Amino acid sequence: KQEVTQIPAALSVPEGENLVLNCSFTDSAIYNLQWFRQDPGKGLTSLLLIQSSQREQTSGRLNASLDKSSGRSTLYIAASQPGDSATYLCAVGVHGGSRLTFGEGTQLTVNP
Amino acid sequence: NAGVMQNPRHLVRRRGQEARLRCSPMKGHSHVYWYRQLPEEGLKFMVYLQKENIIDESGMPKERFSAEFPKEGPSILRIQQVVRGDSAAYFCASSPGLAGGPTFFGPGTRLTVL
Repeated sequence: KQEVTQIPAALSVPEGENLVLNCSFTDSAIYNLQWFRQDPGKGLTSLLLIQSSQREQTSGRLNASLDKSSGRSTLYIAASQPGDSATYLCAVGVHGGSRLTFGEGTQLTVNP
Repeated sequence: NAGVMQNPRHLVRRRGQEARLRCSPMKGHSHVYWYRQLPEEGLKFMVYLQKENIIDESGMPKERFSAEFPKEGPSILRIQQVVRGDSAAYFCASSPGLAGGPTFFGPGTRLTVL
């Protein structure tokens, strides 16, 4: 059974700091890995999708890496801003990518 | 191009009533998924549907819950005889069906059972 763990559960940083969010998964037989952002009371916004054959993806100030063999992914956020404050969710795609197994998220607060 | 749409956004039911949650996938998407987020917990997969077919319902509770995605119209998640433990955010997601492709989520329906 696939299990996804995110560390830390919560993180508070000053504006401008670079930071790393961690995600680990127990079964390396994945189709893809997706990072989402969830704002309080809102839905999920897809940030980055990494296919199982890829090692990283970048979008603006965000960079996500994937190491299937060790069952790890990291989300790097450069020059953090207060608007980055949200819960970040890591989800692993299994069964042809049709089903996502989520971690419990990292709640990020960026202080002005 | 509208995203995944869900309605209602908020739903209040008394114990024993029925709850119907609706989801319209993104244009061109034929695959729909339902997830549930209980308070202080992560999102859990419930069911995966294609038009007129349930592909994977391994995450659905065995009783009171059902889902459909008819040939015409939105996908419906139906909860009969709701109990307080059903209070949660229910998210619908869709994808074009390409293996390994991105999944897009709707804003969710927040169900409160009194």
